[in-house]
Amino acid sequence: KAGVTQTPRYLIKTRGQQVTLSCSPISGHRSVSWYQQTPGQGLQFLFEYFSETQRNKGNFPGRFSGRQFSNSRSEMNVSTLELGDSALYLCASSWLLGTGKHSGELFFGEGSRLTVL
Amino acid sequence: SQQGEEDPQALSIQEGENATMNCSYKTSINNLQWYRQNSGRGLVHLILIRSNEREKHSGRLRVTLDTSKKSSSLLITASRAADTASYFCATAPRDGGYQKVTFGTGTKLQVIP
Repeated sequence: KAGVTQTPRYLIKTRGQQVTLSCSPISGHRSVSWYQQTPGQGLQFLFEYFSETQRNKGNFPGRFSGRQFSNSRSEMNVSTLELGDSALYLCASSWLLGTGKHSGELFFGEGSRLTVL
Repeated sequence: SQQGEEDPQALSIQEGENATMNCSYKTSINNLQWYRQNSGRGLVHLILIRSNEREKHSGRLRVTLDTSKKSSSLLITASRAADTASYFCATAPRDGGYQKVTFGTGTKLQVIP
């Protein structure tokens, strides 16, 4: 079974631009979560999607947005990039129990490393 | 904001020794997990312990959970150079939003051959 795939792996942008990152979850996983990882703030939860709906959101400004498609693939977008947005963006998928509850285990992709100049 | 904090922040040991990392968290949890991250890569799930469990083993890993103290520990026995990585604890909250898994600050482990 293929793992979580994130594209692109590396990208460089300049301040003010926008970026879109893509995540393909493991087949059968319907929950997709996004995290931002920086040396200063560590791993910060961005948002989680299930069945094309955002169920939880972290404490990030509105410049950070996401969506999920009917095939569970997800994208996140950051508009008006700032230097502080430079980070490793990690996507994780998980399967859900019959009740809709989270199985607990997250399967991570290798991440998209964004550098903002 | 971080849900958990790990201690120590960094740990350096000789191959063959045991490594112990501790995690403290703030709110009531549904479960607690430990993950490993090799430099600049994605995280790999190691073990999950539920709030009603006190100890769990998986290979060379032993995890304990004390919900009264809101703390957990990860023990890696007979460490190997390949165990060199950062280790994170993560918690899923008990009351709703259990899919919002939040991570601790991490412990950087170096195993010297």
